[in-house]
Amino acid sequence: NAGVTQTPKFRVLKTGQSMTLLCAQDMNHEYMYWYRQDPGMGLRLIHYSVGEGTTAKGEVPDGYNVSRLKKQNFLLGLESAAPSQTSVYFCASTSGQTTDTQYFGPGTRLTVL
Amino acid sequence: SQKIEQNSEALNIQEGKTATLTCNYTNYSPAYLQWYRQDPGRGPVFLLLIRENEKEKRKERLKVTFDTTLKQSLFHITASQPADSATYLCALDQAGTALIFGKGTTLSVSS
Repeated sequence: NAGVTQTPKFRVLKTGQSMTLLCAQDMNHEYMYWYRQDPGMGLRLIHYSVGEGTTAKGEVPDGYNVSRLKKQNFLLGLESAAPSQTSVYFCASTSGQTTDTQYFGPGTRLTVL
Repeated sequence: SQKIEQNSEALNIQEGKTATLTCNYTNYSPAYLQWYRQDPGRGPVFLLLIRENEKEKRKERLKVTFDTTLKQSLFHITASQPADSATYLCALDQAGTALIFGKGTTLSVSS
């Protein structure tokens, strides 16, 4: 099993450009999450999904949109990128049991110029 | 609002010593707490989970305690090795659907 994979690994955008980050998991997990990690700020939850077709806002959702059309995929979109969105983005998934481990992807390093 | 604090950003110890990392929280009563390890350039990896009704949990050289009265968890690595050098994150459950992460403590073990 590949676990949780993220595409792309690196990306540089100009202010105002749009892009979509893809997260895929092959563990048949129900719950999926998008986090951003910034120096000194730790991991902060952007959006999450508790099942196919559902999404919910996390701590820092502004400027991002998400979709969960298929159970195994969770997409994070930036419609109009801003320098403040320069960060490392991590996707994670879990089975849905409240005590289950979160499995993280390798991360996407995004720079917005 | 809920707040999680990990006692220090960095901790430096010598090989063979016990490393103790602290996680404090306020305005919250989590049902369980998790600890993760993160290496540079990688995603966090799960280490241990402890429930509110458990005082202590062990896994090999790792030990976690959970004091709901003090609202604190301690994470211990005994007989530390340079390979234990990493950032350690504590995380609390949020209404059973998501986790809130602390900012992490970076441990450096020197030989």
